[in-house]
Amino acid sequence: GQQLNQSPQSMFIQEGEDVSMNCTSSSIFNTWLWYKQDPGEGPVLLIALYKAGELTSNGRLTAQFGITRKDSFLNISASIPSDVGIYFCAGRDNYGQNFVFGPGTRLSVLP
Amino acid sequence: SAVISQKPSRDICQRGTSLTIQCQVDSQVTMMFWYRQQPGQSLTLIATANQGSEATYESGFVIDKFPISRPNLTFSTLTVSNMSPEDSSIYLCSVGGGGNVLTFGAGSRLTVL
Repeated sequence: GQQLNQSPQSMFIQEGEDVSMNCTSSSIFNTWLWYKQDPGEGPVLLIALYKAGELTSNGRLTAQFGITRKDSFLNISASIPSDVGIYFCAGRDNYGQNFVFGPGTRLSVLP
Repeated sequence: SAVISQKPSRDICQRGTSLTIQCQVDSQVTMMFWYRQQPGQSLTLIATANQGSEATYESGFVIDKFPISRPNLTFSTLTVSNMSPEDSSIYLCSVGGGGNVLTFGAGSRLTVL
């Protein structure tokens, strides 16, 4: 079945630094979603992408739909302590009804 | 987007027992989904809860272990039957929404002793 890989698996950064993470797939997707999960909570949607090359921002977050349609990127600028959490990507192809989720990137922000 | 309430938020259960998790949505939705998140892992789809018909289960999940009800367009239940410690997970209810995105509830954290 479809699998997503996320990189890095975890990262420790200083407050104020920018963050980059990515998600890759073995197959072509037509929708990419990025979620953040805080401890004890369900995932919350950050950004949705629907077209190859699309670049979408949500505050300090920017995500891009890769032009190969097999990857997506999420950037966080000027990180703050509340950015701590697990970031999941999810993708869906033209044939699948359901989304497949990546393993997540665990972000820690050091003061 | 829809607001999803799950009950219980957490529970500790004994091996061999069953637990039913409820999911209530504040609006009518066509698609409702149940996910499992094992400790430190990603989200895995258990099944799609279909209103008026049987749930559609993903590979590796069966109705006898995870019976699902969907009596109307705002409510669904997932039962985890004959639990073992391997069933200790967060169980998440999700709905499909506008823009082809998924909205999740806060989850039900289940610990099986």
